[in-house]
Amino acid sequence: DIQLTQSPSFLSASVGDRVTITCRASQAVDGYLAWYQQKPGKAPKLLIYGASTLQSGVPSRFSGSGSGTEFTLTVSSLQPEDFATYYCQYLTSYPREVTFGGGTKVEIK
Amino acid sequence: QVQLQESGPGLVKPSETLSLNCSVSGYSISSGHYWAWVRQPPGKGLEWIATVYQNGFTYYNPSLKGRVTIFADTSKNQFSLKVSSVTAADTAVYYCARCGSGWSMDFWGQGTLVSVSP
Repeated sequence: DIQLTQSPSFLSASVGDRVTITCRASQAVDGYLAWYQQKPGKAPKLLIYGASTLQSGVPSRFSGSGSGTEFTLTVSSLQPEDFATYYCQYLTSYPREVTFGGGTKVEIK
Repeated sequence: QVQLQESGPGLVKPSETLSLNCSVSGYSISSGHYWAWVRQPPGKGLEWIATVYQNGFTYYNPSLKGRVTIFADTSKNQFSLKVSSVTAADTAVYYCARCGSGWSMDFWGQGTLVSVSP
C-alpha cells in the first residue's frame, strides 16, 4: 500500500506569504494526485487534480507540481480565506486504491 | 449543478450495520463517473472507504474490505454504503462524492455524522 506523508503538518503564515506544502509518496507508482482544501465543518474542496491542473473556479494563486514520489501545493500569496487544512490524495492505477495524506493545517501567524 | 446529499441514522449500536444513502441531483449516475464514500473521524484526517461505477464495478479500501459494501441504484439515482460490525472506531462524518479525472473528487455532499454508541 502506498503511504502519503504531508509536510509540514502545521504551518503558521501571514496574509501575502508564499506557502508550499509537500506530499511525499512511499513509492513511485502510476497514479494521479489531487489536492483539497477543507474548512471546519465543511466538506473538502477540490483544488488541483492530475498533480498540476487547476480545478475550475479555483483562484490562480494555487498551483501544483511534482511527479514520482514528491508533489507540492503552492499558494503564491496567502489570502484570509485560505486559512484551512489541506490534503493530498493519490489514486494508484493498479490496484485502484485511494490514499489521503495526513493533512496540513495553515493558520494565521 | 451536481448536488449530493447523504442520509441515514446518526446513531448506530456497536456490532450493528451502518447504512447510508447518497442521493444525487443535477446529474444521472448512469451517465458515467465513479462515485465514492470518504469518512473523517472527529478531529482527524480523511479516509477513503469505497468507490462504485455505474456498471456495478466496486473498489474498496483494503483496511475495510470485508465489512464494507458499496452499490449504485441507477433507478433512484443514488448510491449507498453499508458497514457491518461497527465499533466506536467507525464514528465519523461520512461524505459521498463524485469522482472526476483520476478519481479526484469534484463534488461532495455536506457530510453526515454517524456515531457508534450503545
